[in-house]
Amino acid sequence: EAGVAQSPRYKIIEKRQSVAFWCNPISGHATLYWYQQILGQGPKLLIQFQNNGVVDDSQLPKDRFSAERLKGVDSTLKIQPAKLEDSAVYLCASSLAQGRAGELFFGEGSRLTVL
Amino acid sequence: AQRVTQPEKLLSVFKGAPVELKCNYSYSGSPELFWYVQYSRQRLQLLLRHISRESIKGFTADLNKGETSFHLKKPFAQEEDSAMYYCALKGNSGYALNFGKGTSLLVTP
Repeated sequence: EAGVAQSPRYKIIEKRQSVAFWCNPISGHATLYWYQQILGQGPKLLIQFQNNGVVDDSQLPKDRFSAERLKGVDSTLKIQPAKLEDSAVYLCASSLAQGRAGELFFGEGSRLTVL
Repeated sequence: AQRVTQPEKLLSVFKGAPVELKCNYSYSGSPELFWYVQYSRQRLQLLLRHISRESIKGFTADLNKGETSFHLKKPFAQEEDSAMYYCALKGNSGYALNFGKGTSLLVTP
């Protein structure tokens, strides 16, 4: 079974530039999450999708971050404009909507460095 | 407010020694707690969940509602247990998890 795919793995940009990350969840997983993990901290939920609808985006900085999951499969997370404090690993995860609660399957992450 | 606290950033033990990684939580309601692990150069993955009351790779964790704790234990640590361990609490919406800051476990020979 293929795991959660993310790209790019690494990205370096200057502040005020924009960046986009892509995620392809495990086939059949209706729920998709984006987490932000700053160095030395645990993952923090940015947004959760159920199919193509948003379940929770309360911690998403909406003035600069946006995410979409138009067809209920792939998702993109965009940051525009980036700030220094956005340097982090962005993790995508997916789970079965009605599956074993708490079992999230994570991608390898996209490491963003903002200079 | 939901919060997960892992007080130790780093825990170093010798091979064969017992290990306990601490996790405390605050949550109004019936909590669902999990331990996730990230080995070097691998993805974050589920280790165990409290509702299963299972032992995975020799690790166990008991939910103590009185002390609001969910400590991870193993009687005899192995070098391959060296990894980053995250305690996580299932939130109010959907299946999203709130993670602690993590504890880095180093098992030395």
